[in-house]
Amino acid sequence: RKEVEQDPGPFNVPEGATVAFNCTYSNSASQSFFWYRQDCRKEPKLLMSVYSSGNEDGRFTAQLNRASQYISLLIRDSKLSDSATYLCVVNMDSGAGSYQLTFGKGTKLSVIP
Amino acid sequence: ETGVTQTPRHLVMGMTNKKSLKCEQHLGHNAMYWYKQSAKKPLELMFVYSLEERVENNSVPSRFSPECPNSSHLFLHLHTLQPEDSALYLCASSQDIGPQPYGYTFGSGTRLTVV
Repeated sequence: RKEVEQDPGPFNVPEGATVAFNCTYSNSASQSFFWYRQDCRKEPKLLMSVYSSGNEDGRFTAQLNRASQYISLLIRDSKLSDSATYLCVVNMDSGAGSYQLTFGKGTKLSVIP
Repeated sequence: ETGVTQTPRHLVMGMTNKKSLKCEQHLGHNAMYWYKQSAKKPLELMFVYSLEERVENNSVPSRFSPECPNSSHLFLHLHTLQPEDSALYLCASSQDIGPQPYGYTFGSGTRLTVV
């Protein structure tokens, strides 16, 4: 089983649409969770951390369900500039005394005019 | 300069060449990382350094050799690479190697092509 799984997409949505991405992770001892955004041929950039209580940043809402080992990202009122690949990222204990970020393959979003 | 800086941005090298990638972070972080990103694959962690000491080496071939002279600088020395090593190599830093809530900061990467 892959450690972090995401639907690769692509998701093609019109401007103004609401789109949701899902992610599951395999390690129940994971401590921290994030969504990163990566534009074409650029580095990943932190979009937001994810907390069990849910958190919102403008049009973006992230949710964590520890019992189901499931993470979600909701984007409301999609903009053209939201087009990117969204990476689900989990900070896991590597078993060697350190934690490391484990990345999903990413979900590609294209917002269409 | 701020953040994490990587040089060069692009590199083309032959299989018999020796080259080095450089990373510098200006964030006062204690941990630095090398990641490899190949097409249609998730980011793969290669090396982890904490306070200049290597704490993890994820079964990376010996043709990749990291060096961390201080907590602000990280190098990746390359020699006798293979065409399948062509990828985007990303450097990242974080405050430490614990279960922190703040994620990592990435450099802009070096796009490596091995010919």
